[in-house]
Amino acid sequence: DAGITQSPRHKVTETGTPVTLRCHQTENHRYMYWYRQDPGHGLRLIHYSYGVKDTDKGEVSDGYSVSRSKTEDFLLTLESATSSQTSVYFCATLDRGHFMNTEAFFGQGTRLTVV
Amino acid sequence: AQTVTQSQPEMSVQEAETVTLSCTYDTSENNYYLFWYKQPPSRQMILVIRQEAYKQQNATENRFSVNFQKAAKSFSLKISDSQLGDTAMYFCAFITNTGNQFYFGTGTSLTVIP
Repeated sequence: DAGITQSPRHKVTETGTPVTLRCHQTENHRYMYWYRQDPGHGLRLIHYSYGVKDTDKGEVSDGYSVSRSKTEDFLLTLESATSSQTSVYFCATLDRGHFMNTEAFFGQGTRLTVV
Repeated sequence: AQTVTQSQPEMSVQEAETVTLSCTYDTSENNYYLFWYKQPPSRQMILVIRQEAYKQQNATENRFSVNFQKAAKSFSLKISDSQLGDTAMYFCAFITNTGNQFYFGTGTSLTVIP
């Protein structure tokens, strides 16, 4: 199994507080992604990174920021958590070698509840 | 903009029967990769099958096969001899050869009935 670790796995936080989720990989993959999964919406891309210090916005980036200071770590920060950010968050990495190796690997997910 | 559409939110199939999950996508690019991922109740995302757009031959992986229609931008997943362990959410996804964003559909929840 690919070494993608998300922490924490579960978190309950209060509205208005900042929250940081961590994704750690041991695969040396260049591309990393943060998604949120909500019923009826599938996986929606929040932010992604295509290299150290290279990040870009996805379709639902408002209220979120990211940082990638080294290949193995990709941090997602909710600057001021709101109840609409209650969701399950997934980190993924992408191996874009030869096509037969092109595959996204996922962490176990983080269930975040904002009360 | 690139999009992925899965028009079947929920489906069910009898054990040992065959079921087809639909996926359409939209892109102006000519070369891209298509994927089906499975998410069982454990929440772990598992790659089921992948297809490169320039390959005409449909991909197969044991009981799983795809019907890739490039002109129609359609990428359906066929599951043969359905098993109880196939009960899961299935996501269609794609990434272009030149892009960085990995796009997912809204998912189809499949239930295999004993």
